[in-house]
Amino acid sequence: DQQVKQNSPSLSVQEGRISILNCDYTNSMFDYFLWYKKYPAEGPTFLISISSIKDKNEDGRFTVFLNKSAKHLSLHIVPSQPGDSAVYFCAARFYGGSQGNLIFGKGTKLSVKP
Amino acid sequence: DGGITQSPKYLFRKEGQNVTLSCEQNLNHDAMYWYRQDPGQGLRLIYYSQIVNDFQKGDIAEGYSVSREKKESFPLTVTSAQKNPTAFYLCASSRNTEAFFGQGTRLTVV
Repeated sequence: DQQVKQNSPSLSVQEGRISILNCDYTNSMFDYFLWYKKYPAEGPTFLISISSIKDKNEDGRFTVFLNKSAKHLSLHIVPSQPGDSAVYFCAARFYGGSQGNLIFGKGTKLSVKP
Repeated sequence: DGGITQSPKYLFRKEGQNVTLSCEQNLNHDAMYWYRQDPGQGLRLIYYSQIVNDFQKGDIAEGYSVSREKKESFPLTVTSAQKNPTAFYLCASSRNTEAFFGQGTRLTVV
């Protein structure tokens, strides 16, 4: 049973517009959430994270929103750029768990068209 | 430069052979991990190690083995008992609030 779900396998957005990637989770014991970006044949790179005690974290063009009551988080990219085209993984960590012991979603492939 | 190095990037092996994937880090991180990625799948944890000479099974440890004799190194052996070894393997290390990944090794078993 998937504990971290990314229900959209792909998303296509026009350059300059907003990209919204969604992630749902089932386990209320998750205390930290991360987004990773991955290009083909490369390792994921850390993008942005949020603690469960917050509802928003912003870093430049990237903002992550957390809705604990809905067990939902989203990544907003504004404005989207062609270089943002990649697979985005949502990940969650159990309370007290090691930061590397993450539960990953299946990823959403973002395509930003010029 | 500090980072995590996985080698080789591409690896081919015949069915029935054991193969060892290398992972080295110079970040001075205590914890290291191995994940596996299959098409359309997320990253699944194979093994992890919180400290030298200690390691724990992840969600899909069957058919794999690891060792952690040095802080910097966490090699993964894919044994002949692993039924579907062809995959993209990722090594990671962590210390505080995020995990850092290597560039991955694409293993193809023919």
